[in-house]
Amino acid sequence: NAGVTQTPKFQVLKTGQSMTLQCAQDMNHNSMYWYRQDPGMGLRLIYYSASEGTTDKGEVPNGYNVSRLNKREFSLRLESAAPSQTSVYFCASNQGRGYTFGSGTRLTVV
Amino acid sequence: GNSVTQMEGPVTLSEEAFLTINCTYTATGYPSLFWYVQYPGEGLQLLLKATKADDKGSNKGFEATYRKETTSFHLEKGSVQVSDSAVYFCALSLKTSYDKVIFGPGTSLSVIP
Repeated sequence: NAGVTQTPKFQVLKTGQSMTLQCAQDMNHNSMYWYRQDPGMGLRLIYYSASEGTTDKGEVPNGYNVSRLNKREFSLRLESAAPSQTSVYFCASNQGRGYTFGSGTRLTVV
Repeated sequence: GNSVTQMEGPVTLSEEAFLTINCTYTATGYPSLFWYVQYPGEGLQLLLKATKADDKGSNKGFEATYRKETTSFHLEKGSVQVSDSAVYFCALSLKTSYDKVIFGPGTSLSVIP
């Protein structure tokens, strides 16, 4: 089925550890996004990529880096995880008709 | 600035009740408007959209009309089901250097039998 695939679905990290969240879409969309969702805060944009080869900061980029590896893939990296980064992370892609979201990665930093 | 305001939840309704979730927006220019739905444990799914004033978006019995004069996009359904229990997000999209989407805070709906 066409869509956005995120891995892993769940992850527990210790403070200071690093990890990369993977995202891939097979709809040939130009734009891709990373959001975090926290209770009472709604969805907040971390980084976005308007097209292959470009990335830009969103609302809450501190502590994260991204890579737009090719048109399909957009990864999010936490270099040194902190408890404040405990959240549910969503990747999305868009081609002007509304977002398609992945199913999310639930990350806990202890 | 650009923003989306939704009615606070949670909203609890009995099955077959009428649903309204209010949404108003502030935006420069002429945004497209969307409703997304998030079922427990899942990502958001596009429910419906409207791209210009007076457009009505509809899907799965839900509908919303783009009202430019009142800057609103209220979500309605005539008869809710238990399976409609979810969180509903109103959003607007602006054409900038990218498709910038601003989400409302979400409204949680619980439908009881």
